[in-house]
Amino acid sequence: QKEVEQDPGPLSVPEGAIVSLNCTYSNSAFQYFMWYRQYSRKGPELLMYTYSSGNKEDGRFTAQVDKSSKYISLFIRDSQPSDSATYLCAIPTSNDYKLSFGAGTTVTVRA
Amino acid sequence: NAGVTQTPKFQVLKTGQSMTLQCAQDMNHEYMSWYRQDPGMGLRLIHYSVGAGITDQGEVPNGYNVSRSTTEDFPLRLLSAAPSQTSVYFCASSRDSPTGELFFGEGSRLTVL
Repeated sequence: QKEVEQDPGPLSVPEGAIVSLNCTYSNSAFQYFMWYRQYSRKGPELLMYTYSSGNKEDGRFTAQVDKSSKYISLFIRDSQPSDSATYLCAIPTSNDYKLSFGAGTTVTVRA
Repeated sequence: NAGVTQTPKFQVLKTGQSMTLQCAQDMNHEYMSWYRQDPGMGLRLIHYSVGAGITDQGEVPNGYNVSRSTTEDFPLRLLSAAPSQTSVYFCASSRDSPTGELFFGEGSRLTVL
């Protein structure tokens, strides 16, 4: 079983829509969770991280963790064409030497 | 401030050839790593280093070698290229820990014929 599972999409939404991205993970011992954003032909960059259950907001982005269900989500409000990218969830493994990445969900926001 | 620099950006190899992907960072980060990215597979760790002179294997190390003689540089060597090594390779560095914020280069796209 993979440590992190992510629906690869792709997702195509109109400008202004809410984008919902999700990952599931297998190890209940994981303590914090990250979301990376990767523009086409670029390297990933850290978008958000959260340490505990509940929500964390940063502008139009909200990261949500449900530890009881082992489920993490990223919401993008009022989506813009500039949000078109691949979004990857990442979780530190129990071995503490690497991040385990989801496959990434490609999002296109149509103007 | 350049961050993480990878060269070359594109490379085509024939099966059996060897080559080195270069990675350099100017942020004085101790931790560096190499990932490969394939469609539907996400990023998979090849090798990593927690400091100069120290390297270790990740989850997909076969066919690759690394060395870390300085804090700044972390080259990845393909010993005898195979079509299965066709991928996009990313070098990353981190200041805090192997599982802290990773700073990625722009990637090296490798095709093995």
